[in-house]
Amino acid sequence: DGGITQSPKYLFRKEGQNVTLSCEQNLNHDAMYWYRQDPGQGLRLIYYSQIVNDFQKGDIAEGYSVSREKKESFPLTVTSAQKNPTAFYLCASTNYNEQFFGPGTRLTVL
Amino acid sequence: GQQVMQIPQYQHVQEGEDFTTYCNSSTTLSNIQWYKQRPGGHPVFLIQLVKSGEVKKQKRLTFQFGEAKKNSSLHITATQTTDVGTYFCAGRDSGTYKYIFGTGTRLKVLA
Repeated sequence: DGGITQSPKYLFRKEGQNVTLSCEQNLNHDAMYWYRQDPGQGLRLIYYSQIVNDFQKGDIAEGYSVSREKKESFPLTVTSAQKNPTAFYLCASTNYNEQFFGPGTRLTVL
Repeated sequence: GQQVMQIPQYQHVQEGEDFTTYCNSSTTLSNIQWYKQRPGGHPVFLIQLVKSGEVKKQKRLTFQFGEAKKNSSLHITATQTTDVGTYFCAGRDSGTYKYIFGTGTRLKVLA
């Protein structure tokens, strides 16, 4: 079954803690993306990666970090420097014709 | 920076009425994609337009890409309750693989 998986589906974090969101794809796509969606809002690009060991900042990269050590995996770390991290996080990969999205992770900071 | 705006932000229609959402970019786009997101779900790809002036149809949905490749529209004929959701356009920045999403149009269909 090909696709993108994200885990966990729901995540609760205390203020001041770093947390890592998982994103895995078995579609053999080179490019992967992380987006943030706030309630009733559009998607904002956090980071993207076109190839392994390379990634670029999106529009709202401050307070986030990523790695791309394997083609299949693109984890996102939400650091304590992110002032307002409560949001819906979506990971996507693309064959450059369409983006395939994972089910998302809802992060709540307590 | 590059911005992609969509109008309207919300649209309520009676079932059977038509619906149109418009997408406008501040810069020229390489291509434009359209996505639908159901409440509580993730965006699902609908279509990609690449050529200037391109028009594509999918059953009751008609997509257009402007001649200047800076605007696009999605038109739904005779809406159904299954059309409920938020429709997003996403433009690819020329020269990069960065996609900028529009602000979205939330469609509600009243039976």
